[in-house]
Amino acid sequence: DGGITQSPKYLFRKEGQNVTLSCEQNLNHDAMYWYRQDPGQGLRLIYYSQIVNDFQKGDIAEGYSVSREKKESFPLTVTSAQKNPTAFYLCASSSGDYNEQFFGPGTRLTVL
Amino acid sequence: GQNIDQPTEMTATEGAIVQINCTYQTSGFNGLFWYQQHAGEAPTFLSYNVLDGLEEKGRFSSFLSRSKGYSYLLLKELQMKDSASYLCAALDSNYQLIWGAGTKLIIKP
Repeated sequence: DGGITQSPKYLFRKEGQNVTLSCEQNLNHDAMYWYRQDPGQGLRLIYYSQIVNDFQKGDIAEGYSVSREKKESFPLTVTSAQKNPTAFYLCASSSGDYNEQFFGPGTRLTVL
Repeated sequence: GQNIDQPTEMTATEGAIVQINCTYQTSGFNGLFWYQQHAGEAPTFLSYNVLDGLEEKGRFSSFLSRSKGYSYLLLKELQMKDSASYLCAALDSNYQLIWGAGTKLIIKP
């Protein structure tokens, strides 16, 4: 089955620790995205990548980092510089600008 | 600035029809998406409109007016499983999606 996987589903970390969220897709999509969703707010774009070895900052990139070494993988690192990291993180991919984005199941990160 | 407006919450009765409105202001426009999101889950694609008019897909229809910066999602024959948040998102001139905060739809028996 083709799709996007994110792991883990729930993640707890202590304040000041970096944490990496995994995102893998086997849809052969070129573009991948990371969003953050907070209660009562829309999805906010953190980073996106349209091709391997290239990525762009979104609206709220501060405190986050990404890599795109393989087409299938787009991991997100939440660094200790992110002031309020507790949120629901969604990874998505698409085959083109006009095409819908397919989402992974999300990772709910809680920083204690 | 870029902005998407949609109602925060709506309530409807099982079997009825509901219309969820969305207005948008973006730098350029390359189409409008509707997604459904059940609580704690990922959004799933419902529709994409780039031309004016109504697109029908089973119980769900989506309408777009580019001149008014307006779209709506129409859900017919409501079922309890339609209880979810409905997200409106506009594709701007840089092909980035600008997302609304979502409309939480509550279906009552």
